[in-house]
Amino acid sequence: QKEVEQNSGPLSVPEGAIASLNCTYSDRGSQSFFWYRQYSGKSPELIMSIYSNGDKEDGRFTAQLNKASQYVSLLIRDSQPSDSATYLCAVREYSSASKIIFGSGTRLSIRP
Amino acid sequence: DADVTQTPRNRITKTGKRIMLECSQTKGHDRMYWYRQDPGLGLRLIYYSFDVKDINKGEISDGYSVSRQAQAKFSLSLESAIPNQTALYFCATSEAGAENIQYFGAGTRLSVL
Repeated sequence: QKEVEQNSGPLSVPEGAIASLNCTYSDRGSQSFFWYRQYSGKSPELIMSIYSNGDKEDGRFTAQLNKASQYVSLLIRDSQPSDSATYLCAVREYSSASKIIFGSGTRLSIRP
Repeated sequence: DADVTQTPRNRITKTGKRIMLECSQTKGHDRMYWYRQDPGLGLRLIYYSFDVKDINKGEISDGYSVSRQAQAKFSLSLESAIPNQTALYFCATSEAGAENIQYFGAGTRLSVL
């Protein structure tokens, strides 16, 4: 069974600081990586996707991918209380391109 | 109206009962999925369907069955509910070729007593 590992948290970050969320995956052949945000009691929503090694920036969010280390991260700059949520790392399986494996999520809390 | 609608939103049932969770979508997507979410375990895939004639098991299909009645409808059944099936269930859809972008319903919270 392919695995996607995340620290469950909670990760507490002061408002305005950078929040760093990390994820490792076991399927070395995976090519597609995603971050979903899930507010408490709500459904997940896709916020970032990354396919190549390096950084991908979208507003205050930066996704980082290192395939050699099988590591993907999400940085949130200038953290806001509205960023408080659970962040799910997800990896598209190499062997079955239509299946996505989700991590258990990291709960992020932004303190004012 | 929501693009992906799940009914019911909450359900309490007893051990041994048969229960059906329903999902309908107006996005016109071919691909539909059923996940369950448990604290500390993230989202786990139960079943997925590429079209009306294509149904596939996910990682935790035991104890569940599905029916794709139409492109827009995908139902999940628990044939004989047991307490460890207490969880939050999500339906999701995606376009063919864009499986990474999954659109989730609001979820069904199921409790099996």
